[in-house]
Amino acid sequence: SQQGEEDPQALSIQEGENATMNCSYKTSINNLQWYRQNSGRGLVHLILIRSNEREKHSGRLRVTLDTSKKSSSLLITASRAADTASYFCAPTDSWGKLQFGAGTQVVVTP
Amino acid sequence: DSGVTQTPKHLITATGQRVTLRCSPRSGDLSVYWYQQSLDQGLQFLIHYYNGEERAKGNILERFSAQQFPDLHSELNLSSLELGDSALYFCASSLTENTEAFFGQGTRLTVV
Repeated sequence: SQQGEEDPQALSIQEGENATMNCSYKTSINNLQWYRQNSGRGLVHLILIRSNEREKHSGRLRVTLDTSKKSSSLLITASRAADTASYFCAPTDSWGKLQFGAGTQVVVTP
Repeated sequence: DSGVTQTPKHLITATGQRVTLRCSPRSGDLSVYWYQQSLDQGLQFLIHYYNGEERAKGNILERFSAQQFPDLHSELNLSSLELGDSALYFCASSLTENTEAFFGQGTRLTVV
């Protein structure tokens, strides 16, 4: 299974701090995508990193990918209360199918 | 706005009934994926269509079926509904297998 497994399951930080979450998967991937979901709402696409890329940035987000270790990390810098959400990684196979893990619940307190 | 449209947003129906969920992908996207999100199972992949053809099946029950039409919109049919089918159903679309997959806002199905 390529199901992503996020770690930690939950993270509580204060505004201004950085939040780091990790993702591990089991088989080879085409790319890996990160999503954010506010409670009970839609999944918002954050970033896609391809299997031949090692690092990618988008605004306050930094994603790394280590295919030799089958792992990825998402760093959110200078967290804001609005970053409170669940974050999912989705390893993606050659057909584009995303396999989600249980997610990391992030709470950012003012 | 992701550009993926799902209707209806909410659906309440009785056990044993049949419902149809609709998804319009982003303009130009050929792939449509359906996912089910429930509290106990998380986000589960159901089925993938590419340009009208079924590409992959996940943990989709036999009571569920889907199709993608020539205009690329897709429908997910759920029949003989059970209480356990209550969940959020998402569709996502992408241009190719190596581009971003964007999700709709989901259909919240409640079976009573």
